[in-house]
Amino acid sequence: QQQVKQSPQSLIVQKGGISIINCAYENTAFDYFPWYQQFPGKGPALLIAIRPDVSEKKEGRFTISFNKSAKQFSLHIMDSQPGDSATYFCAAPLQGAGSYQLTFGKGTKLSVIP
Amino acid sequence: EAQVTQNPRYLITVTGKKLTVTCSQNMNHEYMSWYRQDPGLGLRQIYYSMNVEVTDKGDVPEGYKVSRKEKRNFPLILESPSPNQTSLYFCASRNRVILSEQYFGPGTRLTVT
Repeated sequence: QQQVKQSPQSLIVQKGGISIINCAYENTAFDYFPWYQQFPGKGPALLIAIRPDVSEKKEGRFTISFNKSAKQFSLHIMDSQPGDSATYFCAAPLQGAGSYQLTFGKGTKLSVIP
Repeated sequence: EAQVTQNPRYLITVTGKKLTVTCSQNMNHEYMSWYRQDPGLGLRQIYYSMNVEVTDKGDVPEGYKVSRKEKRNFPLILESPSPNQTSLYFCASRNRVILSEQYFGPGTRLTVT
């Protein structure tokens, strides 16, 4: 079974610090990697995604970096805030039975402490 | 408002008592799916549907059934629930083209005793 491996499982960062979450994949149907953010009691919601033609995408304090040769991509949260405390999931489009499926990493629980 | 709704949000039941969790979306999405979320295991896909009357197994389909008779609805059926199906369940939908942008429902927390 193809997998997306996400690390770390949990992360504690001081307010104002940088949060870094990493993901590695085996094989993808194509290069398009989204990150989802989930707050307690809520469903995951799309945070940011990177297209195949760029190696980095930045949206505000959130940046995705993509290393195609290493089959890795990462999420950086600059100037982390307590409101960023949530669980983050990376995902990759993997070939399913006759279609493409988003396969999720196991998630990273981020806690930003004041 | 574009949304995915699930009912019920919380359910406590006993082993073997059939139950259905409903899912509905108002975005005219072709694709719908069910996930379960367990601590340390992340989101695992149970079943998905590419369109009306088209369903397929995900990674953990054992013990579950689905149907897609209408485009907007995708119920999850547990014919004989067991305690190992105690979990948090999410329904999701997306359109046919934008693979990465899935919309998730608020979740259903199921406890089977």
